[in-house]
Amino acid sequence: NAGVTQTPKFRVLKTGQSMTLLCAQDMNHEYMYWYRQDPGMGLRLIHYSVGEGTTAKGEVPDGYNVSRLKKQNFLLGLESAAPSQTSVYFCASRSDRFPEAFFGQGTRLTVV
Amino acid sequence: KNEVEQSPQNLTAQEGEFITINCSYSVGISALHWLQQHPGGGIVSLFMLSSGKKKHGRLIATINIQEKHSSLHITASHPRDSAVYICAVRSPFKAAGNKLTFGGGTRVLVKP
Repeated sequence: NAGVTQTPKFRVLKTGQSMTLLCAQDMNHEYMYWYRQDPGMGLRLIHYSVGEGTTAKGEVPDGYNVSRLKKQNFLLGLESAAPSQTSVYFCASRSDRFPEAFFGQGTRLTVV
Repeated sequence: KNEVEQSPQNLTAQEGEFITINCSYSVGISALHWLQQHPGGGIVSLFMLSSGKKKHGRLIATINIQEKHSSLHITASHPRDSAVYICAVRSPFKAAGNKLTFGGGTRVLVKP
């Protein structure tokens, strides 16, 4: 029962480097979300997807891109990392039939 | 003013005490979630409510839709209940992904 799996769990990047965070779910959920969690600010939505092949911007999309080529995977990309993107990133998924949200374990990203 | 407000921000209790966390929201919702996050850990869904009351073990969640208010109660608190508890409301707009908007969290410490 893997649920929602995020890769990697930790990463340190230099300013200007790029990387991709992978979120994989095995529950056949239609909806997938990427959030960032910063001290004192709670969780904020970066991008989301309502189905395979579709993505949309959330509250804080700047500096990030996403893709959902397969229903089970939702990728979050940072093309040119900045120190302001130091955060903990969470992926979540849900379905219409069972709308409870399932979260991944988080990715702690530090940009130096 | 934030759309989702939680109180208190921090709470310290002695083992065995009854704990209440409050959540008020100012937007229309399709459901309200209570989530738990242990230090350095992932996020776990405790409850999803659209009306009334739910109970799971020592945890009880209630919602009053008319007053736009929810409470999470922990009975007979235990040190393992120490965590951050997060209230989140789900948007009723399916085209926008039924997005979650999060409160800032309540940090609970239960002392033995």
